[in-house]
Amino acid sequence: DAGITQSPRYKITETGRQVTLMCHQTWSHSYMFWYRQDLGHGLRLIYYSAAADITDKGEVPDGYVVSRSKTENFPLTLESATRSQTSVYFCASSPTSGGTETQYFGPGTRLLVL
Amino acid sequence: QKEVEQDPGPLSVPEGAIVSLNCTYSNSAFQYFMWYRQYSRKGPELLMYTYSSGNKEDGRFTAQVDKSSKYISLFIRDSQPSDSATYLCAMIAGNTPLVFGKGTRLSVIA
Repeated sequence: DAGITQSPRYKITETGRQVTLMCHQTWSHSYMFWYRQDLGHGLRLIYYSAAADITDKGEVPDGYVVSRSKTENFPLTLESATRSQTSVYFCASSPTSGGTETQYFGPGTRLLVL
Repeated sequence: QKEVEQDPGPLSVPEGAIVSLNCTYSNSAFQYFMWYRQYSRKGPELLMYTYSSGNKEDGRFTAQVDKSSKYISLFIRDSQPSDSATYLCAMIAGNTPLVFGKGTRLSVIA
């Protein structure tokens, strides 16, 4: 399928478990982003990547790890999940970091940490 | 103070009304200004973008940027129930990542 996909779409886990959220895009966009969206906070950037093997922290990186070994994939790992990480997670990709180039968002992953 | 402030609403209007959505910002380096629309349980999608100050029109939608006041607006004319969504403003300076407002939830009642 063309576009940007996320898996799983829904995930329930327990405190302390490791969870990996997957993101895959088919456009060969250079930039990829991970956001979390919470009521009252809007979209907050967790990590972003300008290219394979290049990643940088966003506004709320603590408790998350990313990697980008291939241009098309950008997994987000919660090493030891906490209840405060219950959220909706969106992955996005873009040919550039911004300006006139839009970010294309995936459908989101709803994560519940019990 | 947050870099980008946006009233979360919710905003409820009758069908056919003119809707005005607004954001203020503090970083004078912002150059590109965008509006994203997000339907329930979906990812945001770009609606409009403008560069620097001025107006841009696309069908029933008009985006305005006033850099002197650090204020941007999105107007929706002849609003339709299908316009019911959350609208997020976003802005960028140079090659730094986009900064989003919290979003305004809009309901257009038939």
